[in-house]
Amino acid sequence: ELKVEQNPLFLSMQEGKNYTIYCNYSTTSDRLYWYRQDPGKSLESLFVLLSNGAVKQEGRLMASLDTKARLSTLHITAAVHDLSATYFCAVSTMDSSYKLIFGSGTRLLVRP
Amino acid sequence: SQTIHQWPATLVQPVGSPLSLECTVEGTSNPNLYWYRQAAGRGLQLLFYSVGIGQISSEVPQNLSASRPQDRQFILSSKKLLLSDSGFYLCAWSVNGAGGYTFGSGTRLTVV
Repeated sequence: ELKVEQNPLFLSMQEGKNYTIYCNYSTTSDRLYWYRQDPGKSLESLFVLLSNGAVKQEGRLMASLDTKARLSTLHITAAVHDLSATYFCAVSTMDSSYKLIFGSGTRLLVRP
Repeated sequence: SQTIHQWPATLVQPVGSPLSLECTVEGTSNPNLYWYRQAAGRGLQLLFYSVGIGQISSEVPQNLSASRPQDRQFILSSKKLLLSDSGFYLCAWSVNGAGGYTFGSGTRLTVV
């Protein structure tokens, strides 16, 4: 059974600082996704990572995938207040259901 | 273009009342469809998925059910709501995961 663990669950950081969110998963998959959720809202897709070694960057966020280690990271560079949100990683199963299993989420608070 | 519609946006229902939430997808054929629930302050739990018309798989035993009467229509139902059914319900679709997963805007259900 695919399980996804994300840490930390809560992250309070100062503006301008760097930090990394980690996402580990338990069974083979080469499809990993990062989402952002603002309070009361649905999910916004940030990154789709589909192969070992994939790296994608958008603004101050960069995501990477190591399928051998079953690990993805979301790196935040020089955080700004607008990045405050909850971030979820999710992994797709490799059967025809393509079920998307989520981590518990990381609630990010960027302080001035 | 590909879009997903989910309604209603909010719903307040008494305990023991029935439930019907609807999700429709436009701009694609034969998608995989998913229902998720998010309890307050928590992660996303996969409830049901469907790989085709009339094909429903349940991930979590509960008093909810799902149906897919048409290719691009997915319905979540209950005959009698419980307090524990409160949460934020999200519908999503994907073709094979490679193009990502698109989420609806969600239904916030409060059972009173």
